[in-house]
Amino acid sequence: EAGVAQSPRYKIIEKRQSVAFWCNPISGHATLYWYQQILGQGPKLLIQFQNNGVVDDSQLPKDRFSAERLKGVDSTLKIQPAKLEDSAVYLCASSLVPYEAFFGQGTRLTVV
Amino acid sequence: AQSVTQLDSQVPVFEEAPVELRCNYSSSVSVYLFWYVQYPNQGLQLLLKYLSGSTLVKSINGFEAEFNKSQTSFHLRKPSVHISDTAEYFCAVSDSNTGNQFYFGTGTSLTVIP
Repeated sequence: EAGVAQSPRYKIIEKRQSVAFWCNPISGHATLYWYQQILGQGPKLLIQFQNNGVVDDSQLPKDRFSAERLKGVDSTLKIQPAKLEDSAVYLCASSLVPYEAFFGQGTRLTVV
Repeated sequence: AQSVTQLDSQVPVFEEAPVELRCNYSSSVSVYLFWYVQYPNQGLQLLLKYLSGSTLVKSINGFEAEFNKSQTSFHLRKPSVHISDTAEYFCAVSDSNTGNQFYFGTGTSLTVIP
């Protein structure tokens, strides 16, 4: 069974630029999560989808971050414009059943 | 609100020695508890979980954790560590009220010394 795929693995951008991350969850997994992991901290939930609907985006900085999940499968997370403090690893996870999430390898973003 | 505290940010231990990584949580409702492991430049992998039933849960590679409701703890233990256990370990909590979301601790970096 293929795992959660994320791309790109690494991205370096200048502040005020925009960037997008892509996630392909495990086939059949209805729930998809985006987490932000800042160096030295645990992952923090940004947004949770159930199929193509948003369950929780209360911690998503909506002035600069946006996410969508078209057709309830792939998802993209966008930052526009980026700030230095957005430097982090962005993790995508998916689950079929509650309390069993599978994580991708993440995208490491560096904002300079 | 959920919160998870991992008291040790770094734990060095000699190979074949025992180790305990501590995790405490706060929650006003029944919780589900997890330990995830993260190897360098990789995503999180589920190590073990407690949902219900026996309070002692075990992984396939020799780790175990015990849910202690009175102490609000879920400490991770291994009687004899290997070099390959060197990684970052995250404790996480969830409950039915939070829509199956995971709240993570800040992580413990385990370094096994040859």
